[in-house]
Amino acid sequence: DQQVKQNSPSLSVQEGRISILNCDYTNSMFDYFLWYKKYPAEGPTFLISISSIKDKNEDGRFTVFLNKSAKHLSLHIVPSQPGDSAVYFCAATYNTGKLIFGQGTTLQVKP
Amino acid sequence: DTAVSQTPKYLVTQMGNDKSIKCEQNLGHDTMYWYKQDSKKFLKIMFSYNNKELIINETVPNRFSPKSPDKAHLNLHINSLELGDSAVYFCASSQDNGRVDYEQYFGPGTRLTVT
Repeated sequence: DQQVKQNSPSLSVQEGRISILNCDYTNSMFDYFLWYKKYPAEGPTFLISISSIKDKNEDGRFTVFLNKSAKHLSLHIVPSQPGDSAVYFCAATYNTGKLIFGQGTTLQVKP
Repeated sequence: DTAVSQTPKYLVTQMGNDKSIKCEQNLGHDTMYWYKQDSKKFLKIMFSYNNKELIINETVPNRFSPKSPDKAHLNLHINSLELGDSAVYFCASSQDNGRVDYEQYFGPGTRLTVT
């Protein structure tokens, strides 16, 4: 039973445009959500997070939106750059330290 | 300086063998984790240690045994390796277990191939 789902395995966007990566979850106990970015042959690196008491968190070109009623979050990257090409993992937790990850979305940003 | 390091990076071995993967973090973190990324790319937690004490132990075969000699090291020993153990294993660390505002820092992964 996968509690965190990223239904789009891949996404391709043009440089300078917006990238929108989506994530759905089923467990209403989750109260903290994170996005990780992963390059090939490297471990995931933390990108941005959001608490369930907020609906938006912004850090430079990266913004995460949370819709609790829909159990949905999204990561917006504006403007997208070729260096953003990577696998993006959504993760959720309810303060146990145990992260539940989605299966990842591969983003390709074309020059 | 590498924050979370794992050795070896690649490990190819035969079924039935016993192998270990080592992990070290120099971040001064209290908590360390082992994750498994399977062929479907899901990252799933296996174990978590906080100050050398086992905190999280997911449903993992008892052929897998974590060992934490000190809070900077968390090694993973696997007995009687099976084909299904082939995966990428990631070590991670964080400042404090349960404090979700401290994100987890991951090592580069160890690709284990069992033939």
